[in-house]
Amino acid sequence: GQSLEQPSEVTAVEGAIVQINCTYQTSGFYGLSWYQQHDGGAPTFLSYNALDGLEETGRFSSFLSRSDSYGYLLLQELQMKDSASYFCAAGGKLIFGQGTELSVKP
Amino acid sequence: DTEVTQTPKHLVMGMTNKKSLKCEQHMGHRAMYWYKQKAKKPPELMFVYSYEKLSINESVPSRFSPECPNSSLLNLHLHALQPEDSALYLCASSQDSTGGGGNQPQHFGDGTRLSIL
Repeated sequence: GQSLEQPSEVTAVEGAIVQINCTYQTSGFYGLSWYQQHDGGAPTFLSYNALDGLEETGRFSSFLSRSDSYGYLLLQELQMKDSASYFCAAGGKLIFGQGTELSVKP
Repeated sequence: DTEVTQTPKHLVMGMTNKKSLKCEQHMGHRAMYWYKQKAKKPPELMFVYSYEKLSINESVPSRFSPECPNSSLLNLHLHALQPEDSALYLCASSQDSTGGGGNQPQHFGDGTRLSIL
């Protein structure tokens, strides 16, 4: 079957760094995507890793290791507005992990 | 504001009603998607349209009927829904759907929150 595993929730304080891990088992793997979704909002694309290594986009970075079927999303200089659910996703037909609810405290 | 527009934002309907959800994008994308999302759960793929043709149907009950009138529009026709169909219905688009669409960014609309009485 296809599955992506990620922690259900993470709590951190403003200004901190947090890492959200994702392990996957999918068929037709092209790469690992990350989406952010605020309560009541639409999922928003954050990043996509097709190859091993680190991709950096501003305060957010994403990493992929295809040999380990593992990736992570790194959020730096956390802000209150980063409180949201974060989904990793993969597969030819996009399959989402269960989501990690990030709470950023003052 | 999102580049994918969905209407209506909220819909309440009885189990015998017929209604339609609409989605529009003007990014020139050739792939469009319908997802269903329950509270505190991830989006689940329902349908994929590629170049206006249905390419993937994830074994969705026939009471959901998708339609793609042109490259910018996607509809989801609803008929005889069940209470368990209450959910957020999300439309998304991407450049194309090579391999099913999982290898490129998908742009989501804000969704239609559907309640079945």
